[in-house]
Amino acid sequence: QVQLQQWGAGLLKPSETLSLTCAVYGGSFSDYYWGWIRQPPGKGLEWIGEINHSGSTNYNPSLKSRVTISVDTSKNQFSLKLSSVTAADTAVYYCARAILYHLDVWGKGTTVTVSS
Amino acid sequence: QSALTQPASVSGSPGQSITISCTGTSSDVGGYNYVSWYQQHPGKAPKVMIYDVSNRPSGVSNRFSGSKSGNTASLTISGLQAEDEADYYCTSYTSSSTLVFGGGTKLTVL
Repeated sequence: QVQLQQWGAGLLKPSETLSLTCAVYGGSFSDYYWGWIRQPPGKGLEWIGEINHSGSTNYNPSLKSRVTISVDTSKNQFSLKLSSVTAADTAVYYCARAILYHLDVWGKGTTVTVSS
Repeated sequence: QSALTQPASVSGSPGQSITISCTGTSSDVGGYNYVSWYQQHPGKAPKVMIYDVSNRPSGVSNRFSGSKSGNTASLTISGLQAEDEADYYCTSYTSSSTLVFGGGTKLTVL
């Protein structure tokens, strides 16, 4: 059974870079895309982007200039970096497995707060 | 990309059926049969309930069904149960090779 375990810094100051990592346990790593989704407090879900094992990425156009998603196939991990964060980036960030355009396995979420 | 349009809230009594709509454009919902629906309980990660418009993952109750007509997809829950009370989100693949979410619908079981 596939499990996703995610971690990263939970408190950032404005202008810093958000950095999160998600590790994949069980199942194939190379057969899927791996994505990031976020949810601001009390608001809806927003797709951030995704990557596959070969490093091919797709990003939300509204975040593309600040987002980098990378992959480490030797560790079955993928990571999210979001630069120049502001209070608007405060959210719960989820990693997830993408299979044929839907997200079937999710991490538990990491709360990231941006505050001076 | 603009978020798909969902009603902010719907409600129903136990045993009844409800339908949640999800409206997009020909560049997303109308252009591809890649609409999925997610259920999210407070403080929990979302769970996929329907994928590819009308397919149910293993383990999801057959009370949940999905359909699509033109640029609007729908999620129907029949035989409402208290445990169905949650937020529901639709997503669609888009012509830009991205995913776009709906704004979410809060389902209240009266």
